[in-house]
Amino acid sequence: SSELTQDPAVSVALGQTVRITCQGDSLRRYFATWYQQKPGQAPVLVIYGKNHRPSGIPDRFSGSNSGNTASLTITGAQAEDEADYYCNSRDSSGNHLGVFGGGTKLTVL
Amino acid sequence: QVQLQESGPGLVKPSQTLSLTCTVSGASINSGGYYWSWIRQHPGKGLEWIGYIYYSGTTYYNPSLKSRVNISIETSKNEFSLKLSSLTAADTAVYYCARARHGDNQGWFDPWGQGTLVRVSS
Repeated sequence: SSELTQDPAVSVALGQTVRITCQGDSLRRYFATWYQQKPGQAPVLVIYGKNHRPSGIPDRFSGSNSGNTASLTITGAQAEDEADYYCNSRDSSGNHLGVFGGGTKLTVL
Repeated sequence: QVQLQESGPGLVKPSQTLSLTCTVSGASINSGGYYWSWIRQHPGKGLEWIGYIYYSGTTYYNPSLKSRVNISIETSKNEFSLKLSSLTAADTAVYYCARARHGDNQGWFDPWGQGTLVRVSS
């Protein structure tokens, strides 16, 4: 299967820790990549590879992988973290990078 | 700083072919190691990969769109293009261009263009 499954919505209290998950067979072989998208804006890369953050991404964002599940953890969520988060990986055959999860809407309460 | 910018019509008629161009600045599209990509997002929905092209001209397409998609590269202009044929209202979306990179067991799209809204309507 080349599908990635995410919970549609997750909420977190301000300053607390939240985990957003992504499941798929391809994640047994390939790391997930995570993007943050705020309303009216293009997606922004936040985590790639084993647990790498691009320059400018706060260190409260981290990634992990276990079996067929990848997780994006935000430790000490801030109001500005409220956004849609998408996971992304290769298809199961590794032919291309074009598989996206359906997205998780994170609400910071 | 690498930047990508989409350009093209905002309104296209059904059955016609959409043509979009992505202009790259801050990097040479002719350098190896990157795949130049198109991704779209239907209104209120998630991200859908359309396809990408390597500087050599090798292309990879979403199987669900492959019969209607053509991505080409113009290294002399440092830009690449998308053509999507036989349009229907279901092709109404924001279209993004992005640069992709692969590793052995990882990959990512970064950076992205700001996106351009394309509406298919008569």
